[in-house]
Amino acid sequence: AQTVTQSQPEMSVQEAETVTLSCTYDTSESDYYLFWYKQPPSRQMILVIRQEAYKQQNATENRFSVNFQKAAKSFSLKISDSQLGDAAMYFCAYRSALDYGGATNKLIFGTGTLLAVQP
Amino acid sequence: DAGITQSPRHKVTETGTPVTLRCHQTENHRYMYWYRQDPGHGLRLIHYSYGVKDTDKGEVSDGYSVSRSKTEDFLLTLESATSSQTSVYFCAIGKDSSNQPQHFGDGTRLSIL
Repeated sequence: AQTVTQSQPEMSVQEAETVTLSCTYDTSESDYYLFWYKQPPSRQMILVIRQEAYKQQNATENRFSVNFQKAAKSFSLKISDSQLGDAAMYFCAYRSALDYGGATNKLIFGTGTLLAVQP
Repeated sequence: DAGITQSPRHKVTETGTPVTLRCHQTENHRYMYWYRQDPGHGLRLIHYSYGVKDTDKGEVSDGYSVSRSKTEDFLLTLESATSSQTSVYFCAIGKDSSNQPQHFGDGTRLSIL
């Protein structure tokens, strides 16, 4: 079974600085997708960024980028120029790309990293 | 925002009572999911559906049942609520192709006293 590990329960960053959140995963599959979701105090789950395992190029979305190391099974999230609105819980998630019928789309989540942004 | 509505948003009830949470979508997505979120556990899958009347168990399905009689509605039922089921419950929907992200509802905070 696949697992996702986020080893940093809490992180803190100064406004305008850069922070990196860590995520590692375990799988025997070669094709899969990885996601970072943001959960602000409003409780919404907001997709931040996604990465296809077959793509070597790291995904970027504005101030958010990932460092995807497939061999090491590592998927870290870098937030540049941190803003107060970035303060939230961040979840890393894994999904298989294999067709298991109805189970294809299910997500496996890490336990989350709570990010505080200091003004 | 994806058209997902969870109801109720908050509920307080007593141990032993039945509880039903509703998820309604307007996106006509095939897949629907129920997760629970607890501190130190992230989100864990309870049940999911891959079509009308097609459902299956997730990793924490004990004590829960689901039904999907229409594409747009996915119900989660706690037949006899226990305090261990106090949690925040999220519904999510997904398209057929697995490289599309899931979209989440706003969650239901359920407290069982």
